[in-house]
Amino acid sequence: AQTVTQSQPEMSVQEAETVTLSCTYDTSESNYYLFWYKQPPSRQMILVIRQEAYKQQNATENRFSVNFQKAAKSFSLKISDSQLGDTAMYFCAFMKTSGTYKYIFGTGTRLKVLA
Amino acid sequence: DGGITQSPKYLFRKEGQNVTLSCEQNLNHDAMYWYRQDPGQGLRLIYYSQIVNDFQKGDIAEGYSVSREKKESFPLTVTSAQKNPTAFYLCASSTTSGVTDTQYFGPGTRLTVL
Repeated sequence: AQTVTQSQPEMSVQEAETVTLSCTYDTSESNYYLFWYKQPPSRQMILVIRQEAYKQQNATENRFSVNFQKAAKSFSLKISDSQLGDTAMYFCAFMKTSGTYKYIFGTGTRLKVLA
Repeated sequence: DGGITQSPKYLFRKEGQNVTLSCEQNLNHDAMYWYRQDPGQGLRLIYYSQIVNDFQKGDIAEGYSVSREKKESFPLTVTSAQKNPTAFYLCASSTTSGVTDTQYFGPGTRLTVL
């Protein structure tokens, strides 16, 4: 069975600085997707970034980028130039590409951006 | 605008009552999902459906039921058999194309048992 681990329950960062959120996963699958979702105080889940496991290049979306280490089964999220609006819960998620379309979510990291 | 709607936003239930949470999507997605979120925990899958008139149990299906009579709709009923139903419930949908099966979420329903 697949598992997703987020070992940092809470983090804080000063506005305009850079922060990295960790995520590790365990799977025997070779093809899968990894995701980071953001859940602000409104509780709406918003997709931040997505990575296909077969792609070696790390995904980037504006100030958000990932460090995907397939062999180490690590998928960290880097937020550059942190903004107050980045304050949220961040969830890492795994989905295999075969069979059912089920996500496995980590327990989340609460990020607070300080003014 | 395309998206997922959930209603109501807040729902209160007396013990012993069944309640139904609504989830509608106009994204033309085949798959729909229900998750439960409790404080300090990630999202846990209750039920999912990859096609109309078919659905499967997730990890915590006991005390819940669903139907999928239309592609756009996937209502969740929280029955009196669910021992601890107070939680935040999220509905999601996705394609099943196998290309990018990203799940898109609704705004959620907060259920409180009185």
